[in-house]
Amino acid sequence: QKEVEQNSGPLSVPEGAIASLNCTYSDRGSQSFFWYRQYSGKSPELIMSIYSNGDKEDGRFTAQLNKASQYVSLLIRDSQPSDSATYLCAVNMRQAGTALIFGKGTTLSVSS
Amino acid sequence: DVKVTQSSRYLVKRTGEKVFLECVQDMDHENMFWYRQDPGLGLRLIYFSYDVKMKEKGDIPEGYSVSREKKERFSLILESASTNQTSMYLCASSSPGEGGSQYFGPGTRLLVL
Repeated sequence: QKEVEQNSGPLSVPEGAIASLNCTYSDRGSQSFFWYRQYSGKSPELIMSIYSNGDKEDGRFTAQLNKASQYVSLLIRDSQPSDSATYLCAVNMRQAGTALIFGKGTTLSVSS
Repeated sequence: DVKVTQSSRYLVKRTGEKVFLECVQDMDHENMFWYRQDPGLGLRLIYFSYDVKMKEKGDIPEGYSVSREKKERFSLILESASTNQTSMYLCASSSPGEGGSQYFGPGTRLLVL
């Protein structure tokens, strides 16, 4: 079973707020976790990767991983209207080999 | 920076035509992938390749074939296009040394009439 689950949204936040995006996955042995941002009509763009439990920060973005709970999240601080996009969670599962398993994405809308 | 390019941004084809979609990456990546993306269905893996002349079926290979004659180039072939193959097609590449992170091309929006 290869599943990555995300709430489809839309998630609406005001400008300047923290947006929290969540993802769960089925394979407890998964090792690599990624967040992609996809603007409407465009291709996915890699914005964060995380491989070990805890937090990883990059600018306004923080990825959080909890392997025991099979849970990965993305926090966006000081959200901007330009952050409005669909965010895809992707997991490298053992049973998938080199392929990533993608969630269906959460649509984020940041209002000014 | 990794650059993945796709031969066309938009294509319009007729039912029954043979369609070629090409993808080229310039980072010497071993792995290359073809996905289709449809509203509500997310990204679905069609085929992938981990080496020249090697290919593996993904989740939805029916109606498609692939070719990888050179490391940098991965082609997706629709043998006889059908209307249900109207979709956004995305190519990606990755290197085993980067934990599996994939880099996507700009996509080809295919309309089959």
